[in-house]
Amino acid sequence: AQTVTQSQPEMSVQEAETVTLSCTYDTSENNYYLFWYKQPPSRQMILVIRQEAYKQQNATENRFSVNFQKAAKSFSLKISDSQLGDTAMYFCAPTGNMLTFGGGTRLMVKP
Amino acid sequence: DAGVTQSPTHLIKTRGQQVTLRCSPKSGHDTVSWYQQALGQGPQFIFQYYEEEERQRGNFPDRFSGHQFPNYSSELNVNALLLGDSALYLCASSLVGSYEQYFGPGTRLTVT
Repeated sequence: AQTVTQSQPEMSVQEAETVTLSCTYDTSENNYYLFWYKQPPSRQMILVIRQEAYKQQNATENRFSVNFQKAAKSFSLKISDSQLGDTAMYFCAPTGNMLTFGGGTRLMVKP
Repeated sequence: DAGVTQSPTHLIKTRGQQVTLRCSPKSGHDTVSWYQQALGQGPQFIFQYYEEEERQRGNFPDRFSGHQFPNYSSELNVNALLLGDSALYLCASSLVGSYEQYFGPGTRLTVT
């Protein structure tokens, strides 16, 4: 079984600044992926970024990047140059055969 | 390229009733997973279907059942509805062997 902990229920950041969302997890899987999903008020779950656990290089997608520490089972998301449209719930989700979601972090980007 | 679609968008039912939710996967996908998301929480895995069979199941009672059709679309059925079944039900599709799942917009179920 997998467990996921997102220790920051709510965060806020000023527009154009950088914010980091934390996630730790526990898994017995050897081969797995990790995902960050975004869920805006429209409630559509949108994939933000993915990381293969066997890769040491941290994934980057435009303004989004991760800091993956496999030994520590840590998978944080950094959002650079925050935009108003980044306001949403963010869920960390490691996966083996099925996605296991954390409780989420509510991010508010302020103008 | 059509994404994942779900119907209906909203649904209100009474305790004890039965409900059926529907999902059409993204074009080219053959695997469908269902999740329950209570208000303010992360989604919880219900089950996954591939080749018209349930492959995996989360910690949900037998009142929750599903079906997958030959065209890969899927249904989620919930019997004997409880107030606690009120939630957003998300469907996600993927290609077998891929860990990446694409989500639909969800069905908001309210049980009164």
